[in-house]
Amino acid sequence: GAVVSQHPSRVICKSGTSVKIECRSLDFQATTMFWYRQFPKKSLMLMATSNEGSKATYEQGVEKDKFLINHASLTLSTLTVTSAHPEDSSFYICSARDGGGGKLFFGSGTQLSVL
Amino acid sequence: QQQVKQSPQSLIVQKGGISIINCAYENTAFDYFPWYQQFPGKGPALLIAIRPDVSEKKEGRFTISFNKSAKQFSLHIMDSQPGDSATYFCAASMYTDKLIFGTGTRLQVFP
Repeated sequence: GAVVSQHPSRVICKSGTSVKIECRSLDFQATTMFWYRQFPKKSLMLMATSNEGSKATYEQGVEKDKFLINHASLTLSTLTVTSAHPEDSSFYICSARDGGGGKLFFGSGTQLSVL
Repeated sequence: QQQVKQSPQSLIVQKGGISIINCAYENTAFDYFPWYQQFPGKGPALLIAIRPDVSEKKEGRFTISFNKSAKQFSLHIMDSQPGDSATYFCAASMYTDKLIFGTGTRLQVFP
C-alpha cells in the first residue's frame, strides 16, 4: 500500500520554542494533505487541510498563526507549532490523499511533549 | 449533521469469536466509508472501505455491512485474534472531502 512518512516520531521541546513536523508521501503524489491532532484515547480531530501550492484551510478553533502549514510540493507538507506551550502537547498525525485513487493514508504520527 | 456515531466504546472478544462495531451517520451526501485500525503510538491504517452502491464488502476476515436506508454501517471481524487488539475508527466523507471520524472502539481479543 501507499506509504506516508512522518518525522520526527517523537519530539520533546522547551516551552516557547517552535517545532516542525514533516509529512511525505513516498510513492504517490498527494494533492491534498490533512493534519490531525489526537489526545490519549480520543478520536482524531482535524486541524487543517492543505492543498499543494495554496494556503491551508483551518478548522474552526484552530489558530492558524500557531499551527503553520506549508504544502510546498506534491509530496511534502509541514506543520510548524510555533511558540509551543505545554497545552500543545499531543499526538499529531498527517494524512495524504492519493490523487489517483482517492484513498487516504496516514503517517505514523508525532508525539509532541512541551516542557 | 457532520457527526459519525460509533459504538461500542470498548469491546472484549474471545479468540476465534466475531467482533462487531457499528457506526451511524446523518449526512446523506457521504459516499465513502472507510474503517481504520490504530495501534498505540501509531497512525491509523486503512483496513477496508465501502461506497454506498454496495451493501457488503469482504476482505479476508474483515467485512463491512452497509445499510443505506438506515444510514448505518458496521465492521465485522471474523475469527478474531489477539493481534487484532487495537482501536478501530469508522469514518465518512464525501469522496474528495475531509474524513469525519467516529469516536473509536477499543477492541481486546483474549486467548
